[in-house]
Formats: sequence, structure tokens, C-alpha cells
Amino acid sequence: DIQMTQSPTSLSASLGDRVTITCRASQSISTYLNWYQQKPGKAPKLLIYAASSLHSGVPSRFSGSGFGTDFTLTISSLQPEDFATYYCQQSYSTSAFGQGTRLEMK
Amino acid sequence: QVRLQESGPGLVKPSQTLSLTCTVSGGSLNSSTYYWSWIRQPAGKGLEWIGRIYTSGTTSYNPSLKSRVSMSVDTSKDQISLKLNSVTAADTAVYYCAGAVARIFYIWGQGIMVTVSS
Repeated sequence: DIQMTQSPTSLSASLGDRVTITCRASQSISTYLNWYQQKPGKAPKLLIYAASSLHSGVPSRFSGSGFGTDFTLTISSLQPEDFATYYCQQSYSTSAFGQGTRLEMK
Repeated sequence: QVRLQESGPGLVKPSQTLSLTCTVSGGSLNSSTYYWSWIRQPAGKGLEWIGRIYTSGTTSYNPSLKSRVSMSVDTSKDQISLKLNSVTAADTAVYYCAGAVARIFYIWGQGIMVTVSS
């Protein structure tokens, strides 16, 4: 099974900050990596698929990169609505999610 | 716009069977490009993929749950069903149905909280 590890598990940041979240796969998954945003009491929402493709309607301040085992999600300038938990998920084989990164306001 | 709505009992007794339904609206199962997955999330924890089903009825399950899970599809009602038997407190979670393509979960239901308790 492919394991996904995110870091950090929590992060405090301020409005306007540039934020980067990392996801590491236990084996190479090419670009089969997706990112989701989840707000309290809500279902996750797809942000980025195939490592770097922005899902329809997602603001351009979100971006993703990476290949193989190491991936990043970057928010270029934090907005109030971005404070949430972010999950990576590999779609290379049987779906597995990272443990999540909680982004909190500093 | 396709929407998903989970339904079912919010409370299940230990050792019994958890049964949930996901109703698809805004499009029919037969015409959809998605296949359908169930994903769960214990309170304060991460997401766990339970399994998937195609409109044809073909299924694939998480190996960790495979012995207890079954999924089915009713295209006449545009519904996908989940059954998880021999439940314990560890199965207490919010259960989501999701529409996927190539293991990318594009659309999600709002989720339903299921508690396993006597």
C-alpha cells in the first residue's frame, strides 16, 4: 500500500502570507496526486488534480507541483476563506489520503 | 449539475449492519461519467476510502474493510448503496459518497454522521 505523509500537520499563518504544504508518497506515484480543502462540518472539495492542474472554479492563488514522491500545495496570498484543512490523495493505486494539514489564522 | 445526498440511520448497534444510500440528482447514473465511491471520516481524523462501484455493478473495496463491505447500484432510482456489517465503535464516522473519475473525487455529498452505539 502507498502511504501519504503530509507536513506540517498544522500551520499558523496570517492574511496575505504565502503558505506551502508538503505531501510525500511512500513510493513513486508520478503525478497521480490530488489536493482537497475541507472546512469544518463540510465535505472536502477538490482543489488540484494531477499534481498541478487547477480544478474548475478554484482561485489561481492555489497551485500545486511535484513528481514522483514529493509534492507541494502553495497558496500565494492567504485569504480569510482559505483557513481550512488540506488533504493530499494519491490516485495511482487504491486511494489513500494524507493525514491532513490544518491551516489556522495566526 | 450533479448532486449527491446520503441517507440512512444515524445510529447503529454494535455487531449490526450499517446501511446507507446515496441518491444522485441533476443527472442519471446511466448517463454519468463518474463512478461512485464511499469515503468515511471519524471525528477529528482523516479520510478513509471504503470502496467504489461502477454503474455496471463492478466493485472494488479497501482491503482493510473488504470482508465486511458491499456496495450496490440501482440505476432505476439513481441510487448507490453501502452496507458494512459487524460494526463496532471504530466504524463511527461521517460517511460520504463521492463521484470520481480516475480516482479523482470531483463531487461529494454533504456526508452523514453514523454512530455505532448500543
